[in-house]
Amino acid sequence: EAGVVQSPRYKIIEKKQPVAFWCNPISGHNTLYWYLQNLGQGPELLIRYENEEAVDDSQLPKDRFSAERLKGVDSTLKIQPAELGDSAVYLCASSQQPGDTQYFGPGTRLTVL
Amino acid sequence: AQSVTQPDIHITVSEGASLELRCNYSYGATPYLFWYVQSPGQGLQLLLKYFSGDTLVQGIKGFEAEFKRSQSSFNLRKPSVHWSDAAEYFCAVGARSNYQLIWGAGTKLIIKP
Repeated sequence: EAGVVQSPRYKIIEKKQPVAFWCNPISGHNTLYWYLQNLGQGPELLIRYENEEAVDDSQLPKDRFSAERLKGVDSTLKIQPAELGDSAVYLCASSQQPGDTQYFGPGTRLTVL
Repeated sequence: AQSVTQPDIHITVSEGASLELRCNYSYGATPYLFWYVQSPGQGLQLLLKYFSGDTLVQGIKGFEAEFKRSQSSFNLRKPSVHWSDAAEYFCAVGARSNYQLIWGAGTKLIIKP
């Protein structure tokens, strides 16, 4: 069974540029999560989807971050415009149902110059 | 509110020695409990989890953890570490009410030859 797929693995951009990350969850997993992980810290939830619906986006900085999960499968996380402080690893995870074990992708390491 | 504390930022252990990584949590009810491992450049991999039942949980790679309600702890143990165990270990606590997962800051395990 394929795991959670994320792309790109690495991205370097200049500040004020837009950037997008893509995630394909494990087949059949209804719940999808986007996390931000800063160096030396644990992941912090940005948004959780149940199927197509964003059910917890309280930690998503909505002035510059947006996300979508069309058709309840793949998801895209976008930052526009990026700031220096956005440099981090962006992790995608999925689970069959809320509260079940979360399975993580390899992450996208973003560097904003 | 939930919180998770991993008191040790770094731990150094000789290869073949036993290991215990500490995790303490704050939560008003019985939470879900997880240990994940993250190798450099890799995503988070589940080691083990506690949902209910037997408080001593066996995981992959020879790891185990014990849920101690009276101490609000879920410490991870391994009787004999291998060089390949060098990685960062994260404890996470999930709320049964809203499925929110709160992560510790991680403990970096260094193995001495």
